[in-house]
Amino acid sequence: GEDVEQSLFLSVREGDSSVINCTYTDSSSTYLYWYNQEPGAGLQLLTYIFSNMDMKQDQRLTVLLNKKDKHLSLRIADTQTGDSAIYFCAEAGAGSYQLTFGKGTKLSVIP
Amino acid sequence: GAGVSQTPSNKVTEKGKYVELRCDPISGHTALYWYRQSLGQGPEFLIYFQGTGAADDSGLPNDRFFAVRPEGSVSTLKIQRTERGDSAVYLCASSLRVVGAASGDNEQFFGPGTRLTVL
Repeated sequence: GEDVEQSLFLSVREGDSSVINCTYTDSSSTYLYWYNQEPGAGLQLLTYIFSNMDMKQDQRLTVLLNKKDKHLSLRIADTQTGDSAIYFCAEAGAGSYQLTFGKGTKLSVIP
Repeated sequence: GAGVSQTPSNKVTEKGKYVELRCDPISGHTALYWYRQSLGQGPEFLIYFQGTGAADDSGLPNDRFFAVRPEGSVSTLKIQRTERGDSAVYLCASSLRVVGAASGDNEQFFGPGTRLTVL
């Protein structure tokens, strides 16, 4: 079945850029998403990219998609302590409603 | 407007008991989803409703799990004869339409979840 892989932890200093990476196996993935989850809170959609795009920028967030390598990344510019959370990569196939999530990357921002 | 709400926020039960978890989606959202998130894992799909009908229940782990959405709005996830392995956070999400449709319609909005603990 489909699989989404992420590294489990990332630690950065406040003000630096964070890059969270994700790989997926489903070649029919149509939409790729980044969610985050703060302690005790629900999942929040940060951004998504359609598979015919290779980059999307939204304020401090930049998503890069390498469809050939099935690699997705999320760059957060000027990372703040408030960005500390677990970041989930997710994918949905063409016409699919099921999101397949990775295990999440815990981002810790050091003041 | 109000987001997706779920009740209770926490539920502790004993092995073998029956539990019901409730989800109130965003008003007007026709699609509703249940996911389960075990400790240290990402959410896993359980079931999807489009309107009142369960369009896909392929993620339900076994026949102890059942969900309903009788009026196309509120949904209840029901677990019979609970087992310790059922302990997890149960997440509900809603969207205007099915994921994979036009991009503006496909965002799934998640509720805060119900943390179920089976002793």
